[in-house]
Parts: sequence; C-alpha cells; structure tokens
Amino acid sequence: SQTIHQWPATLVQPVGSPLSLECTVEGTSNPNLYWYRQAAGRGLQLLFYSVGIGQISSEVPQNLSASRPQDRQFILSSKKLLLSDSGFYLCAWSRPPVAEAFFGQGTRLTVV
Amino acid sequence: DQQVKQNSPSLSVQEGRISILNCDYTNSMFDYFLWYKKYPAEGPTFLISISSIKDKNEDGRFTVFLNKSAKHLSLHIVPSQPGDSAVYFCAASAGAQKLVFGQGTRLTINP
Repeated sequence: SQTIHQWPATLVQPVGSPLSLECTVEGTSNPNLYWYRQAAGRGLQLLFYSVGIGQISSEVPQNLSASRPQDRQFILSSKKLLLSDSGFYLCAWSRPPVAEAFFGQGTRLTVV
Repeated sequence: DQQVKQNSPSLSVQEGRISILNCDYTNSMFDYFLWYKKYPAEGPTFLISISSIKDKNEDGRFTVFLNKSAKHLSLHIVPSQPGDSAVYFCAASAGAQKLVFGQGTRLTINP
C-alpha cells in the first residue's frame, strides 16, 4: 500500500530564517507530487506541483520554492521566511490516470 | 481567480437529518470532481468522487450529484452523524492532473 510521510508536524521559525519541509511517498512510482497551503478563508491553495524529477510548476508567486531531487521526494524551501509564510502546509501525491490525491498529515509553520 | 467555489463557509445540521454541501465551478474543462473531509491539524482524506460523464455517485451515506449545465455539484450525507463534523472541501481536476480546491465548508452536526 502507498504511504506519504511529511515532517515535521510543527515548526516555529524566526523571520529571515531558512525553511526546508520534506515529503516522501512509498509504495508507488512516478507519482504527481503537490504542495498545498491552507490559509483561513482561502481553502487549500496549490503552491507547487511536479510530474517528474526536476519538473516543478509554480502556481502562485511567493517567497517559497520547491524541488524534486528523487522520484518520490518533494521538498519545500525558503531562503528567508516572512511572517506571511505562516500556515498549514500539506504535501500530496496522485497517480494519473487516477485523479484522487492523497495527503500527508501536514506541517503547521509559525513564523515569529 | 477562484475556479472552484464553496459559498457557504459553515453549515449546522441536526443529527439524523440530511446535510447538503454545495460547490460551484467555472472551468468547463474539469472532468472529475471530488469531496474531501478534513479534521483540524490533519491532512484531508478522500471521501467520494464523480466523473463528468455521470450525474450521481453513491457510497453508503454519501451521495454526490453533478449538474454539468449549471456547473454545480453537491454532497448529501444522510443520516448525518456527530462524527461527520469536519471541514469539507470540494475539488476538481482536468485530465487527472492537479486538483483545484474550494474554500471549504465547516459542517457541524448537533446532537
């Protein structure tokens, strides 16, 4: 069976510090990978998605970047965090032609 | 540009009654629609889906209806149970690619 691991579960970081959130998927190959952010009143906002190693599409301009160094690894990064980067970040995977996406447990990021 | 909209931020329903959650979309290229359930501090979990070639899909207490001409879908939960209290997200995709989500509706089931 497929599983998705996302860590850490919570993170408190000072403004201006770097960020690295990691997500790995097990039990499948060549998945589509996604980073979403949940913000109040805006639901689940798609930040990045990837259809293969090194292939990243950015959905919204922002202070964050994503990388996919391996088939089942997806990393969300920032060089310098802003207060507005606080939120609940979710990693997800899907395997076309199946449309359903499956989510990790999320990371609550608080920038102070 | 909100392609998927859930116009009701919250809904309160009595236990045992029917809960109806609504969702509208604007992109006619969407061909697959999904509902997710989310508890606080957890990732969303997939609930039920429907292809654009159908107008109804049922799974136990959950039924999703799709009205393509109105670009509207709804999720019916009957009978509603206290464990159904959560935030429900509607999502849509075109060609099994990225999912676009609505803002969510917080459902509260009252005993």
